[in-house]
Amino acid sequence: GAVVSQHPSRVICKSGTSVKIECRSLDFQATTMFWYRQFPKKSLMLMATSNEGSKATYEQGVEKDKFLINHASLTLSTLTVTSAHPEDSSFYICSAMWENTEAFFGQGTRLTVV
Amino acid sequence: DAKTTQPPSMDCAEGRAANLPCNHSTISGNEYVYWYRQIHSQGPQYIIHGLKNNETNEMASLIITEDRKSSTLILPHATLRDTAVYYCIAMSNTGKLIFGQGTTLQVKP
Repeated sequence: GAVVSQHPSRVICKSGTSVKIECRSLDFQATTMFWYRQFPKKSLMLMATSNEGSKATYEQGVEKDKFLINHASLTLSTLTVTSAHPEDSSFYICSAMWENTEAFFGQGTRLTVV
Repeated sequence: DAKTTQPPSMDCAEGRAANLPCNHSTISGNEYVYWYRQIHSQGPQYIIHGLKNNETNEMASLIITEDRKSSTLILPHATLRDTAVYYCIAMSNTGKLIFGQGTTLQVKP
């Protein structure tokens, strides 16, 4: 299957700082990328949908000023967690899709805020 | 997007077929049935998808009932590496994948 690379795989940051997570589709152009978060022993929760060149669409209850999403090209989307707090600690996962075919997921980023 | 219902957990003996059921009684005509699995602390892995017809690939088979209200994912010869959480998702043309709780499949030696 297609390859989606997420970086970093793990990050520890201090409370109050911002963290950027990158999601790249390596061998295809992604018309749409999605961002999820997952708490331990829970399912994935969709945070937002981003299309290249347009503003992201956030799911209900997700703060757009807290989780900044940029989808500047067909192969790269970034999620920035601003002013991170311990409750933002989670597993963040991106997926990339080309024209509503199957979505391919990155390996995830484990964020720990201390 | 239609809601799906799966049993929370299942066991399967290594080497035997694993049959994972999914109910999607409110699925609409343009929604595909997708299956993904997630091994601990990794991103989900695509397995297979279908609309009306049964599908088979190198990983699994997908059997969809004629009324499309349910489906079954079949792993023909389960191995220990197939132990994972399996998610059945009904996806519309929005492209969004809304994950339910999935089925935790434990393959035992």
